[in-house]
Amino acid sequence: DGGITQSPKYLFRKEGQNVTLSCEQNLNHDAMYWYRQDPGQGLRLIYYSQIVNDFQKGDIAEGYSVSREKKESFPLTVTSAQKNPTAFYLCASSIWGQDGTEAFFGQGTRLTVV
Amino acid sequence: ELKVEQNPLFLSMQEGKNYTIYCNYSTTSDRLYWYRQDPGKSLESLFVLLSNGAVKQEGRLMASLDTKARLSTLHITAAVHDLSATYFCAVHSNTGNQFYFGTGTSLTVIP
Repeated sequence: DGGITQSPKYLFRKEGQNVTLSCEQNLNHDAMYWYRQDPGQGLRLIYYSQIVNDFQKGDIAEGYSVSREKKESFPLTVTSAQKNPTAFYLCASSIWGQDGTEAFFGQGTRLTVV
Repeated sequence: ELKVEQNPLFLSMQEGKNYTIYCNYSTTSDRLYWYRQDPGKSLESLFVLLSNGAVKQEGRLMASLDTKARLSTLHITAAVHDLSATYFCAVHSNTGNQFYFGTGTSLTVIP
């Protein structure tokens, strides 16, 4: 079945650690996105990538890094520079289709600082 | 920067009642999306609206788009408890191929 897989579902980070969140899609979508969601809040864009080996900063990129070495994969690293990383992280992908562009989401990773 | 505003932010309604959620956006776009999110879960696509005057219905939910007014509505008819969730609208910007999300409307349907 085609879809977007995020792992792990839950992640705990110690102060000063870098952690990497995985996002894999087998939908053959060109564009991929990372969003952060805080409790009771909307989605804020961290980074997005239109094609392999290219990505752009979103509204809240500070303290995060990404790579796009393969079309299927768009991992997000939360660095120690991100002072308040506890949040729900959502990965999405999109493609132009007959019905226009639509974003499909993975199941999310809940990151907690301990 | 494209801004998307939803109202109300919180909505508590009785079963069987009707209500409308509003989504305003700040710049020209002809692609508007509605998503549903259950607590602790991901976003599920409900509707894709692609042109002015577009109307789509699924069960007790109906979405419409007025691109001239930069307004989309999500109308709930005869609400049931299963509709309790947070609903997001999103607008696609051709510039940079980004999606901009509203703040969400948390809907609680009370028996």
